[in-house]
Amino acid sequence: KAGVTQTPRYLIKTRGQQVTLSCSPISGHRSVSWYQQTPGQGLQFLFEYFSETQRNKGNFPGRFSGRQFSNSRSEMNVSTLELGDSALYLCASSLAGNNEQFFGPGTRLTVL
Amino acid sequence: KQEVTQIPAALSVPEGENLVLNCSFTDSAIYNLQWFRQDPGKGLTSLLLIQSSQREQTSGRLNASLDKSSGRSTLYIAASQPGDSATYLCAHRRSYNTDKLIFGTGTRLQVFP
Repeated sequence: KAGVTQTPRYLIKTRGQQVTLSCSPISGHRSVSWYQQTPGQGLQFLFEYFSETQRNKGNFPGRFSGRQFSNSRSEMNVSTLELGDSALYLCASSLAGNNEQFFGPGTRLTVL
Repeated sequence: KQEVTQIPAALSVPEGENLVLNCSFTDSAIYNLQWFRQDPGKGLTSLLLIQSSQREQTSGRLNASLDKSSGRSTLYIAASQPGDSATYLCAHRRSYNTDKLIFGTGTRLQVFP
C-alpha cells in the first residue's frame, strides 16, 4: 500500500513568487492536513480538508491557501513568497475519525 | 493556548540503555495522542497511537502511556539501538471532528555504539 506522496520534494523560489505544493493521500483516506515545520517554530498546523471541505485553519496569513479535490488529493498555494516561508511543508492523511495519521516525506521550500 | 512540552530536549545515551521520553500537555481536551519519529530532513513516521480511553500501547520495544489527569504521556524505549537515533515528537488531537495535531517541542535522541 503506497504511502502519502508529496511533490515536488524540493523547491527553490525567489521572494514575491508563488508556489503550489501537492499531496496525494493514502488510498481510501479522505482527510488531509498540512503543516509547516521550521527550526524556530517547530510544527505548525496550516489547514485540514475532509471531503473537499476545509474543516480547520491555522493561524497563517491569507497568502496561504489550499484545496482538496474529489479524489482526496490536496494542494496548497503560497503567494507573494517571503524569506520566512522557507520551511519543510508536511502533509498528513487519515481515514478520519479516531484513526492514526500518516505523513508524507515533505516538500522543502527555500525562498531566496 | 495549548502547549505541549517534551523533556528532555536532547538525549545522548550508549546502546542498550532503556529510555523514557516525556510529553506534558496543558490541554484538558485530549481525544488521542500519537508518537512520531523524524529522521533529519525527513517526514514523520508514526510509532504509536493512544486513544483517550486507553492507558498504554505497545509495539515491539516501544511502550507509550497516557495519563490525562496529570497531562502526561511517556514513551519508553527498551534496549536502545543506534538506529533509534532520531527526533521523537508527541502530538495530540482535541476532538473527534478535527484531525489537527498539536505537536510537542520534540526530543532529539542519539544512541551511540
